[in-house]
Amino acid sequence: KNEVEQSPQNLTAQEGEFITINCSYSVGISALHWLQQHPGGGIVSLFMLSSGKKKHGRLIATINIQEKHSSLHITASHPRDSAVYICAVRETSGSRLTFGEGTQLTVNP
Amino acid sequence: ETGVTQTPRHLVMGMTNKKSLKCEQHLGHNAMYWYKQSAKKPLELMFVYNFKEQTENNSVPSRFSPECPNSSHLFLHLHTLQPEDSALYLCASSQESYYNSPLHFGNGTRLTVT
Repeated sequence: KNEVEQSPQNLTAQEGEFITINCSYSVGISALHWLQQHPGGGIVSLFMLSSGKKKHGRLIATINIQEKHSSLHITASHPRDSAVYICAVRETSGSRLTFGEGTQLTVNP
Repeated sequence: ETGVTQTPRHLVMGMTNKKSLKCEQHLGHNAMYWYKQSAKKPLELMFVYNFKEQTENNSVPSRFSPECPNSSHLFLHLHTLQPEDSALYLCASSQESYYNSPLHFGNGTRLTVT
C-alpha cells in the first residue's frame, strides 16, 4: 500500500464544472505538494502547503493535518486543465518526497 | 520555459550503448534531483545532490551513474541498460534539499531501451 493515496484515479468533467481531487497519506509530514503534469511530461509545482488553505487563480488547495488529508479544487474547469495531478508529501523524518500515483483529469468542452 | 532544461527530449538506445542525459538549471538552486517515472507508477527518486554533493542514492543500480560538476548541471550516465529501464527521466531542482521549497522540474527525457 502506497503511503500516499489519491482519488479518483481518473476523472472526466464537462467544461465549467467544479472539480475535487483528494490525497490521503499515512505518515507525519512537514509539507504537501500538488503538482501538474501535462501530456508532454513536464511537471509544474502548483502548491506547497503545511496547513490551512492556499489559492492561486481557479485553483484551491486545502490540507487537514489531523485527518492526514488534502484536497485540490479547480473552479470553472477548462479543457486546458486536462492533465495528471500529483500529490507528494515530505515526511517529517526525512528529506525525500513520496508521490501518489496521480489523478488523470480530462475536461471536455 | 521551466527554468530547468533537459536534453535530449527523446532517446532510443540499445542495451550495449553508453549515453548521457543532461540537466541544466539557472535558477540559482543548490539541490538537484533525478527521478524515474515508469508507466502507471508514482515518481521514484533516484539521486539527490545538495551543493554538488550526493546526499541520496535510492538503491539505484550501478548502470545508472550520476555526475554533478557544479550546482547548475547534472548528468545521468547510462550503460548496459535493460528494457525495463525504459521510462521518463525527470530532473528537478530546489533551493536546498533539506528545507521545504518548491521543486522545479524539467520536461524530461523519454528513454526507450531496445
